Amino acid sequence: DTEVTQTPKHLVMGMTNKKSLKCEQHMGHRAMYWYKQKAKKPPELMFVYSYEKLSINESVPSRFSPECPNSSLLNLHLHALQPEDSALYLCASSQEVQETQYFGPGTRLLVL
Amino acid sequence: AQKVTQAQTEISVVEKEDVTLDCVYETRDTTYYLFWYKQPPSGELVFLIRRNSFDEQNEISGRYSWNFQKSTSSFNFTITASQVVDSAVYFCALSEADNYGQNFVFGPGTRLSVLP
Repeated sequence: DTEVTQTPKHLVMGMTNKKSLKCEQHMGHRAMYWYKQKAKKPPELMFVYSYEKLSINESVPSRFSPECPNSSLLNLHLHALQPEDSALYLCASSQEVQETQYFGPGTRLLVL
Repeated sequence: AQKVTQAQTEISVVEKEDVTLDCVYETRDTTYYLFWYKQPPSGELVFLIRRNSFDEQNEISGRYSWNFQKSTSSFNFTITASQVVDSAVYFCALSEADNYGQNFVFGPGTRLSVLP
């Protein structure tokens, strides 16, 4: 089973809203990732969690706040986003960092 | 810094044609990993293959084959007898072993359209 699930599939939010994206995997993977993908561009790494600890933060604005409540869950809290933050947000997991990453279906976010 | 180049932005072929997607990479590390992912219109990235830098054996999986050549820093992907369902964006990616996951870099992608 190589399934990573993400909710919601679609999200529309205003610039003053607070929302959260959720990601879950039950493969026993110890590394989890958030990526942002704009249209016609490759995914860009945002955050890496390894053993539930944030190991990489690729200079992401503070309006994006990751959280890893346990080894199976990864959240991305959103607050005061800008229209340019509209994108596909992908979650991935791997056995360890450097191992093959398996991606979820993504959340399509639109910020109005 | 590592880098992945996919020179072909878009390719269109007619069903049953063979097509090769090019990937050229740059890295200073001796240990690294190369990947290919497929992203259909639904958006989910689907893992296709992973190779490490010490394994230059070419690989075939059904209609898919991969040619890894360290001498030219290339990791090309060929689809034989293409089908409409192969239409997607294909990403080549590189991960360096010494950077603890922070340098998982995708190439810009190649959009493949297979016409019936």
